[in-house]
Amino acid sequence: QSVLTQAPSASGTPGQRVTISCSGSNSNIGSHTVSWYQQLPGTAPKLLVYNNNQRPSGVPDRFSGSKSGTSASLAISGLQSEDEADYYCAAWDDSLNGVFGGGTRLTVL
Amino acid sequence: DVQLLESGGGLVQPGGSLRLSCAASGFTFSSDAMNWVRQVPGKGLEWVSGISDNGAGTYYADSVKGRFTISRDNSKNTLYVQMNSLKDEDTAIYYCATKLFEEASGHWGQGTLVTVSS
Repeated sequence: QSVLTQAPSASGTPGQRVTISCSGSNSNIGSHTVSWYQQLPGTAPKLLVYNNNQRPSGVPDRFSGSKSGTSASLAISGLQSEDEADYYCAAWDDSLNGVFGGGTRLTVL
Repeated sequence: DVQLLESGGGLVQPGGSLRLSCAASGFTFSSDAMNWVRQVPGKGLEWVSGISDNGAGTYYADSVKGRFTISRDNSKNTLYVQMNSLKDEDTAIYYCATKLFEEASGHWGQGTLVTVSS
C-alpha cells in the first residue's frame, strides 16, 4: 500500500487531455513539493515535473503539474502514442522518508 | 550529460550481503543529495534510502532500516549501499538517483538487479 494514492490506470485517445491525480496527507504533499516521473516500458524513470509545476528542460509543455492542499495532478494535453507509460508522483514526508504513489498506467487508445 | 552507472547486483542467498555502487559523472556530485530506489519487476517504485550532499544526513525506509547502510565518497563520485541480512522481499531492480523530491534534479541510473533466493 503506497503512501501516495494514484488510480492504477487511465486512458485517452490521441489529441485528448488526460489528468492523473495523486492524493497524500499533510505530512507529505501538504508540506512538501511534488515531483512526477514517467517510466516507459523497460526503462528507468524520467523526471517530468518538479516543485509541483516546474518542467526540466526538454520536457514538452504538454505536461503540466499542479498542487492543491494534500493533492496533486499531472495533466497531459495533446495526448500522443509515445505518452503510453507508467506515471508516478513523489514527495518527501515529515517522517524523513521519500514516498511514491503506486503509479498510474496510461494507455493511449 | 549526467550519467549514473550502478554495479554490484546479482544473486545472493537469504541472510547474505551485497554492496551496490553507483558511479556518477556529468554533474557536481558533491553538491547533490542522492537516493536508492527499488522496483520489483512489474510493480511500482519504492524509495529505499537517501543521503545528503556531504553525507552527514542519511535516511532509510522502514523496510530496510538496520539492514542497509547508504554512504558516498565524494572524492570518487560514487554512491554506495551496503545491504545485509537480505530477504526474499529485497529482490528488485535497484536504481540510484539524484535529488528526487524538493528541488528535484531527478536523474536515474539504468538499474541493477538484485535477486535474493536460495
